[in-house]
Amino acid sequence: KNEVEQSPQNLTAQEGEFITINCSYSVGISALHWLQQHPGGGIVSLFMLSSGKKKHGRLIATINIQEKHSSLHITASHPRDSAVYICAATGNQFYFGTGTSLTVIP
Amino acid sequence: NAGVTQTPKFQVLKTGQSMTLQCAQDMNHNSMYWYRQDPGMGLRLIYYSASEGTTDKGEVPNGYNVSRLNKREFSLRLESAAPSQTSVYFCASNWRYTEAFFGQGTRLTVV
Repeated sequence: KNEVEQSPQNLTAQEGEFITINCSYSVGISALHWLQQHPGGGIVSLFMLSSGKKKHGRLIATINIQEKHSSLHITASHPRDSAVYICAATGNQFYFGTGTSLTVIP
Repeated sequence: NAGVTQTPKFQVLKTGQSMTLQCAQDMNHNSMYWYRQDPGMGLRLIYYSASEGTTDKGEVPNGYNVSRLNKREFSLRLESAAPSQTSVYFCASNWRYTEAFFGQGTRLTVV
C-alpha cells in the first residue's frame, strides 16, 4: 500500500511553462514536505507545510488538509528546475511518494 | 554548519563482506534516519532513532543494524552484504515535526 501517491510520475515541459505536481496522502499527518533531488545529487527540502500555501521564488506549495491533497507549482519553468520532486507526509515518521521526474526543455 | 555528513559517497562490496555507513549531523537534532532509494520505489525507511540511545526498525530492516553512538552520530552496518542491498543510501535528521535534512547519499554496489 502507498500512503503517499504522486502524479504524474514523469513530466516534460517547455521552458516558461507553468507546472503542477500533485500529491495525495492517506495517513494522518502533522506536515507535508516537498523535496527536490537533482540527478546524482542529494535531497534538499523545498517546503514544509501543514496548512494553506507557501511561496519561495517561482515555487508555490499548497495543501488541503480536508482533501488530503497537496500541490507543488513551478511558475516560468527553467531547465535548472529539471529534477525529481518528492512529496513526503510526516506523522510519527516520513512517508514518501515515489517522486515526479521533471524535465524542462529549453 | 555542515548539516548532515555521510560517508562514504561510493562503495563496492563483494557478497558477504561487511561495512559501516557513517552519518553525523551538527544541528542538535534528536531524530535521525536511514533510508534506501531504489528505482521506482522511492525512499524506504530502514531504521530510525528518535533520540540518543533509542533505535527502531523501519519498513526494510532485514540485513542491517544501526547504532546511535551519541546525539550527533547514527551508523548503519551491513554485516554480510547481498546483491539485493545494492542501492543508494541516505541519512537524514530533524527535530520531530520539522523539515528533514539529508546527507549526500552513498551509492553502494554489491557484486
